[in-house]
Parts: sequence; structure tokens; C-alpha cells
Amino acid sequence: DAGVTQSPTHLIKTRGQQVTLRCSPKSGHDTVSWYQQALGQGPQFIFQYYEEEERQRGNFPDRFSGHQFPNYSSELNVNALLLGDSALYLCASSLWQAPPKDTIYFGEGSWLTVV
Amino acid sequence: DAKTTQPTSMDCAEGRAANLPCNHSTISGNEYVYWYRQIHSQGPQYIIHGLKNNETNEMASLIITEDRKSSTLILPHATLRDTAVYYCIVRVADNLYTGTASKLTFGTGTRLQVTL
Repeated sequence: DAGVTQSPTHLIKTRGQQVTLRCSPKSGHDTVSWYQQALGQGPQFIFQYYEEEERQRGNFPDRFSGHQFPNYSSELNVNALLLGDSALYLCASSLWQAPPKDTIYFGEGSWLTVV
Repeated sequence: DAKTTQPTSMDCAEGRAANLPCNHSTISGNEYVYWYRQIHSQGPQYIIHGLKNNETNEMASLIITEDRKSSTLILPHATLRDTAVYYCIVRVADNLYTGTASKLTFGTGTRLQVTL
């Protein structure tokens, strides 16, 4: 049973560029959430996708956007990158209709460095 | 979601029990207590969760006070591989047709250092 997979593992981008990160949820899960984790901080919720729609959003600018595909996989896009966007980006998968006993699973994350 | 308060850091000798406290004095009746840990540079790993009763699994035990205002995560025999940041999170227990319970609010957690 595949867990949550994310790609790429590491990447380096230049200020002003755009980046796309990818996530495949755990088999059987239909909801994907994205988190940003700056160094030394806990993960911060960016947004959540279910049925290919953004359902919840945290306090992030609209430079951060996402997409969910019919197979439940998801992408996180960040435009006009800033140095402060350097962080570990985590994908979490869950079931929409099975909280809270169902567990939320996280991927290993994508390390983004903006130079 | 209710907020949680955890000590910034703790030390534990290998082989001893690690007891990690968490205060969640504003928890609501429909909120669960969850524990995750994050080993350096990896994604958070689920440990255990509970509502009212104490819980135990292969990784840890969770003790929740009767008033539910605090809890303690117990790693019965800590090893060096348990060195990590441990997060205590309260999660709303929505039941149906909403994904709000899928959003986790992390604090800064407790950095547990297990030593020889």
C-alpha cells in the first residue's frame, strides 16, 4: 500500500521564478492538503483540495495556488518566488468523510530553496 | 481549533520512559487530541490520538486527564531513534460531509533528545 509520495525531493529556484510541486495521496484517500514548514517552525496549513476544488485555505497569498486531478493527485504552484518561500513543503492525505478517527498521513516533503 | 502548549525541549535517557506533556485547556467536547512526531527533515508521523479515554498502541500511550485540559504522551522505553520534535494537536471532530477536520494546526512542538 503506497503511502503519500511527493516530488521533487529537493529543488533550487531563483527569485521571481515559478515552481510546481507534486503529490500523490495514500491509496484510498481523496483529500489532499498542503503545508509549508519554515526552518525551526511547525507546519503551516496552505490549502486543501477535495473533488478537484479548493475547500479550505490558510493565510497565504494568491501566489500560492493548487490543483487536484481526477485521480486525487495534486499540485502546488508558487509564482513570483520570494526568498521567504524557502521551506519544506508537505503534502497530507486523508478521507473527506471519515474524520476524525481516520489518520492524516504526510509525505516526506519537498525542500525548496529560493536564491 | 483549540491551542496547545508544550515545553520547548526535553531530554530522556535511552531505555527510560519519556513523558511529554501538553496543555489544551480550551479544548472543546468535540475535539480529539492527536500526537505527531517529526524526525529531522522528514514528514510528520502519526503516533496516537484520543478523545476521553487513555489509549495505547505499539508506539506509545496517551493519558488524558478527566477534565481533558491536558494530556501526556508516554514513550515507554525511549531509544535514540525517538529523538524528534513531538507535536500535540487538537482536531475538531466533524462527522460528515465536511473536511474541516482534515486541517491540522501545528504549534512549535517539543524537541525530545534521547541520550545514551
